[in-house]
Amino acid sequence: AQKVTQAQTEISVVEKEDVTLDCVYETRDTTYYLFWYKQPPSGELVFLIRRNSFDEQNEISGRYSWNFQKSTSSFNFTITASQVVDSAVYFCALSGAASGNTPLVFGKGTRLSVIA
Amino acid sequence: KAGVTQTPRYLIKTRGQQVTLSCSPISGHRSVSWYQQTPGQGLQFLFEYFSETQRNKGNFPGRFSGRQFSNSRSEMNVSTLELGDSALYLCASSLIPHRPENIQYFGAGTRLSVL
Repeated sequence: AQKVTQAQTEISVVEKEDVTLDCVYETRDTTYYLFWYKQPPSGELVFLIRRNSFDEQNEISGRYSWNFQKSTSSFNFTITASQVVDSAVYFCALSGAASGNTPLVFGKGTRLSVIA
Repeated sequence: KAGVTQTPRYLIKTRGQQVTLSCSPISGHRSVSWYQQTPGQGLQFLFEYFSETQRNKGNFPGRFSGRQFSNSRSEMNVSTLELGDSALYLCASSLIPHRPENIQYFGAGTRLSVL
């Protein structure tokens, strides 16, 4: 079975602080993909990043960075110099290959509040 | 390019009624998936359609059904509504179905309240 755990239910930071959102996953697949989505109050899930299981290079996109560590089954997301507009619920998700038609399996999400 | 469009955005129904939600995928996307989001259960997969055929189904009762039309637009139907069906229903589209590398693009959802 596949499982994604986001242990942090809610995080509150002051603007300009750095914040890391944790994601731990479980899968028996050797080929799989990890995703992060952002859900602002409007409700739409916004795609942020996709990473496959064979690429452990960290990725940076502006103030966002992702740290993928296969050894610890983690795919953490860091926002540098947070802004109020970063306030949202962030979801980590997993999709596997060997499981056939496996859909996206989501974590419970982490609600981030950035206070001005 | 227009994103995924879901209608209506909000619905209020009473127990026992039925409801139909609509989803128009991104132009060119042929796969549509539906998810239910509740505070308690989080995001749960309902079903996936491609070429007017259901390709995959989550663990939901038969009261939840869907269909896809030849233009890739999809509808989901919930019959005999229960209070527990109150949720945000999200539709996602992707170019092709059931490939793990697929990026699913989501709509803003339909918020259903069952009274």
